Amino acid sequence: NAGVTQTPKFQVLKTGQSMTLQCAQDMNHNSMYWYRQDPGMGLRLIYYSASEGTTDKGEVPNGYNVSRLNKREFSLRLESAAPSQTSVYFCASNGRGGLYTQYFGPGTRLTVL
Amino acid sequence: QQQVKQSPQSLIVQKGGISIINCAYENTAFDYFPWYQQFPGKGPALLIAIRPDVSEKKEGRFTISFNKSAKQFSLHIMDSQPGDSATYFCAATPSGNTPLVFGKGTRLSVIA
Repeated sequence: NAGVTQTPKFQVLKTGQSMTLQCAQDMNHNSMYWYRQDPGMGLRLIYYSASEGTTDKGEVPNGYNVSRLNKREFSLRLESAAPSQTSVYFCASNGRGGLYTQYFGPGTRLTVL
Repeated sequence: QQQVKQSPQSLIVQKGGISIINCAYENTAFDYFPWYQQFPGKGPALLIAIRPDVSEKKEGRFTISFNKSAKQFSLHIMDSQPGDSATYFCAATPSGNTPLVFGKGTRLSVIA
């Protein structure tokens, strides 16, 4: 049981390049989330998916797109990377009902030059 | 904009001392208040959580105190240890499938 996995762990992009951050969970969770973490800003929600086939914008969606590929996988795409998107990106998931515990992945550290 | 305000931003505590981190919220619909702990280079992990039907919850050295009328909750770490040095986030949500709203975090350093 790996929990939430993210790839890649590190990435350096040039301004204007595109990339996709991958996330997968093996806990049969319905809901999945993408956050970014910047110093002094805490965890800010980019997009989330309450169930397979649905996605919704969070607090900071501009410049990002997401795909809920299936119940396990939720990807985050940067179409044209900008230096302001330099951040650490976390994926998380939680199941329906119960204790609402969100499980986080190990993060992707992205630098845009 | 739903908000959870967390203070202080950083905290230095002597080994064996009590660490206290405070959070305040605005949305009275919030009914689940977790605290997450994050070590450098790792993702946040659930530490302890409380529902508004109780005023306090204790797990080992970690205690959440909850004041519904003041819309405030706090994390107390008793007998703080260097291994507790981490960033702590409070959060809140009105339901399990609604995204958590996080505070901005508190960086705790426990010094010997």
